[in-house]
Amino acid sequence: DVKVTQSSRYLVKRTGEKVFLECVQDMDHENMFWYRQDPGLGLRLIYFSYDVKMKEKGDIPEGYSVSREKKERFSLILESASTNQTSMYLCASSLGGTVNTEAFFGQGTRLTVV
Amino acid sequence: AQTVTQSQPEMSVQEAETVTLSCTYDTSESDYYLFWYKQPPSRQMILVIRQEAYKQQNATENRFSVNFQKAAKSFSLKISDSQLGDAAMYFCAYRSLMEYGNKLVFGAGTILRVKS
Repeated sequence: DVKVTQSSRYLVKRTGEKVFLECVQDMDHENMFWYRQDPGLGLRLIYFSYDVKMKEKGDIPEGYSVSREKKERFSLILESASTNQTSMYLCASSLGGTVNTEAFFGQGTRLTVV
Repeated sequence: AQTVTQSQPEMSVQEAETVTLSCTYDTSESDYYLFWYKQPPSRQMILVIRQEAYKQQNATENRFSVNFQKAAKSFSLKISDSQLGDAAMYFCAYRSLMEYGNKLVFGAGTILRVKS
């Protein structure tokens, strides 16, 4: 059974803090993703990675960075948290290649920046 | 860049009835994949159904089926015999075959309410 685990379900941080959101998958997937979910906007891609130490910007990378030192772990970093980064963050993983593979999601981290 | 549009922010259906959720997308590619994901209150995203663009036959998974109209770039989800457990947010998603990473592009979502 595929599992994508996010380190926290709820997180409250102060403006200006450096915030780490951790994601671990146990299915040896090549691809990993960080999405942000906001009402009325759906899921928007922040960053993704298709291999260890490889990363690509998504649609809204500003204010974020990522790290993938090991295949199973993909971290999202908010360098200096701001109130407009209050949101739900979803991590996902999938196999690589062009086969019709679904993405598997973690349960999300609801981040509040005060 | 591809875009996905879900024009219905909310829908309601009576238990045991049928409901259709709409999705349109914009792409210049000829080959791609389309998905419907369900997000219940637990927040866990679950794949409902998938469709390969090269297949003319509409995908079906038990009570869930799609109406895929490639020329119109339309991909609607039909839920038959609706159950209380179907209440959730539903997202339509597009995946390109041309780009690295198999990333998904999502619509804004449709909240489905099921009345008993």
